[in-house]
Amino acid sequence: ETGVTQSPTHLIKTRGQQVTLRCSSQSGHNTVSWYQQALGQGPQFIFQYYREEENGRGNFPPRFSGLQFPNYSSELNVNALELDDSALYLCASSLVDRPRDTGELFFGEGSRLTVL
Amino acid sequence: AQKVTQAQTEISVVEKEDVTLDCVYETRDTTYYLFWYKQPPSGELVFLIRRNSFDEQNEISGRYSWNFQKSTSSFNFTITASQVVDSAVYFCALSVPGSGGGADGLTFGKGTHLIIQP
Repeated sequence: ETGVTQSPTHLIKTRGQQVTLRCSSQSGHNTVSWYQQALGQGPQFIFQYYREEENGRGNFPPRFSGLQFPNYSSELNVNALELDDSALYLCASSLVDRPRDTGELFFGEGSRLTVL
Repeated sequence: AQKVTQAQTEISVVEKEDVTLDCVYETRDTTYYLFWYKQPPSGELVFLIRRNSFDEQNEISGRYSWNFQKSTSSFNFTITASQVVDSAVYFCALSVPGSGGGADGLTFGKGTHLIIQP
C-alpha cells in the first residue's frame, strides 16, 4: 500500500470527449506527477506539480492539463480525446527538497482509459 | 535526452533459479538517479530501489541484488532463488534534476516481463 489512490479505476469514453481523472496523494508529499502507460510500454511522464504549480512537463500536448489541490488531491484532464489516448494513467506522489527533483515516487494503481 | 534500454522483453525461468534483468541507461548528466520498479497485474508500480550516480556500491536486499556499473552505464537486477510471486513486469528508470528549475520526471525502459514457473 503506497497511500496513493486513484479514481475511477476503469472508464470508457468516445473520441472528442473530455475526461477527468482523480488522485489522492500520500499525506505529507509536496509533489504529484502523472504518467501515461500504453499497453506493453513503460510509463511516460506527462507532468509534475510542485506545491500546486506545474513545474515540469513531458512531450504531451496542451489538451493534457492538471491541477493539484492543498489537500493532496490532484486531477488530470484530457480534452478532445483521441484513440491513442487509450492507456493506463498513473498518478505518483513524492516528497522533494527542490522543485527540479523528481524524488522517490509512490504510485497508485492507475485509471485505465479506453477511447472508442 | 535520457534513455533507458531493457533489451529483454520477456524471461521465463523455473522456480528457484536465479535470474538477472538487464538495464542500460544513457544520460549526459553527471548527477542522476536510477530506479527499479515492479508492476504486478494489478497495475500499481512498486518501488524497489533508488541509487544515485555517486554511489556505485552494489546493494543486496534479501533475495534481490543490484549491480551498478558506471563504466558500462548499466544497473542490473538479480533475483536469487526466484519464486512464483516474483512474476511481474519490472521497469528500470532514470531521473535527472530538471533544467530551468523544473522537473523532468522519470524516464522508463519498456520493461521486462518475468515469468516464474512452478
